[in-house]
Amino acid sequence: GESVGLHLPTLSVQEGDNSIINCAYSNSASDYFIWYKQESGKGPQFIIDIRSNMDKRQGQRVTVLLNKTVKHLSLQIAATQPGDSAVYFCAEKGEYGNKLVFGAGTILRVKS
Amino acid sequence: DAMVIQNPRYQVTQFGKPVTLSCSQTLNHNVMYWYQQKSSQAPKLLFHYYDKDFNNEADTPDNFQSRRPNTSFCFLDIRSPGLGDAAMYLCATSRGPEGGAFFGQGTRLTVV
Repeated sequence: GESVGLHLPTLSVQEGDNSIINCAYSNSASDYFIWYKQESGKGPQFIIDIRSNMDKRQGQRVTVLLNKTVKHLSLQIAATQPGDSAVYFCAEKGEYGNKLVFGAGTILRVKS
Repeated sequence: DAMVIQNPRYQVTQFGKPVTLSCSQTLNHNVMYWYQQKSSQAPKLLFHYYDKDFNNEADTPDNFQSRRPNTSFCFLDIRSPGLGDAAMYLCATSRGPEGGAFFGQGTRLTVV
């Protein structure tokens, strides 16, 4: 079923530190995963994706790790900046093709 | 250049008065989604289209309907809005099972 985030957890990090945001996804048949960043009053913004045949993918300052054994996804942000402050969501696709389901979000607060 | 455009950004409607939210895309994507997002929660999938094929989520209330007259446009109709329908409504598009979804900026619906 779908995961809906209530009372979103908050991660507070110091500017310049690395951030790790975690997500437990629900459907073992999912084969495509995406991380989104959502700023207040805006739509979710695509950050990075990963397919189930990979366990790691790197982008600019971001890395996504996938552990299918325990259905766990993580987003690592290097040298976190104030502009990274937002809510981060993982999302999954797969069993039903085009259906894209969001997991619980995490609020990232960057302290200067 | 905006690729997924939602109009209006803010919509106020009266309790029980039908309202329509619109979404257009310039990406020529096959899939279009509608999500409902309430404060401090993850986006919740209402329905999605693959071309003309409509896929309704089992828990989407009958009060919510959708139309997709062509590839570029998709509408969300709320037949009799209740106070509980106040939320941000997000439209997104995707090429298909292989791609991530790109979101519009959302329409914030207020029911008075």
